[in-house]
Amino acid sequence: AQSVTQLGSHVSVSEGALVLLRCNYSSSVPPYLFWYVQYPNQGLQLLLKYTTGATLVKGINGFEAEFKKSETSFHLTKPSAHMSDAAEYFCAVSGGNQGGKLIFGQGTELSVKP
Amino acid sequence: GAGVSQTPSNKVTEKGKYVELRCDPISGHTALYWYRQSLGQGPEFLIYFQGTGAADDSGLPNDRFFAVRPEGSVSTLKIQRTERGDSAVYLCASSLTETSVPDEQFFGPGTRLTVL
Repeated sequence: AQSVTQLGSHVSVSEGALVLLRCNYSSSVPPYLFWYVQYPNQGLQLLLKYTTGATLVKGINGFEAEFKKSETSFHLTKPSAHMSDAAEYFCAVSGGNQGGKLIFGQGTELSVKP
Repeated sequence: GAGVSQTPSNKVTEKGKYVELRCDPISGHTALYWYRQSLGQGPEFLIYFQGTGAADDSGLPNDRFFAVRPEGSVSTLKIQRTERGDSAVYLCASSLTETSVPDEQFFGPGTRLTVL
C-alpha cells in the first residue's frame, strides 16, 4: 500500500522568503512522486514529478523538489515566494501495480504575506 | 486546446435521489480517472478507465457508486440513493495513456455535489 503525509496543513511565508512544503511517502515499490497545485476555483495543475533518474526535479514557476529515498521524502521548495504562489499544494504518489492512480496527501495551504 | 470539462459545475440534490456527473476528457486521452475531494482533504481515488473498461474500481466506496465510459471518451459517474456523506467535489482527470511510468494527469475543475 502507498500513502502520503504532508506536514503542516497551513504554511505562511513572507513575500521573497523561502518556501518549504514537506511531504513524506510510504511505498513498498519504487515510487513515482508528484506535486500538484490548486488555485481557488481552478483544477489541479501539475507542478513537477519524479519518475526515475535525477533526484532533484525542477518544475514550473520556479519550484523544485528532491527525492530522498533514505528519508522517504519529496519536499517542495522555492527560493523566493511570490504573492501569486498562494494556493493549496498536494503531494501524491503512484507506482508499482497501482497503475496510474494517484494517492494524495491531505494538502498544505500556502499563504504569502506582503 | 480544450482541457478536461465536467458538468454540471454544481449539483444540489436531496438525500435518496440519483445523480449523474459527466466528464469530457482531453481528446485522444485513453486513461480517465475519477477522484473525490472532501472539504479540507486531498483527492481520493475512486476509479480509472483504460479505454472503455474499468481497470481499477477499488476506490468506489460502495455499490451505490458506478461509472461508465461506453465509447472510450466521455465518462459518467452515477450515484444512487445519495447520502449526505456523499457531498464533496468530484474530480475527473485524463492522461494520454496509463503505463507503468505514468503520464501527467490533467484535471477538470470538478463538480461540487451537495446532498441536503
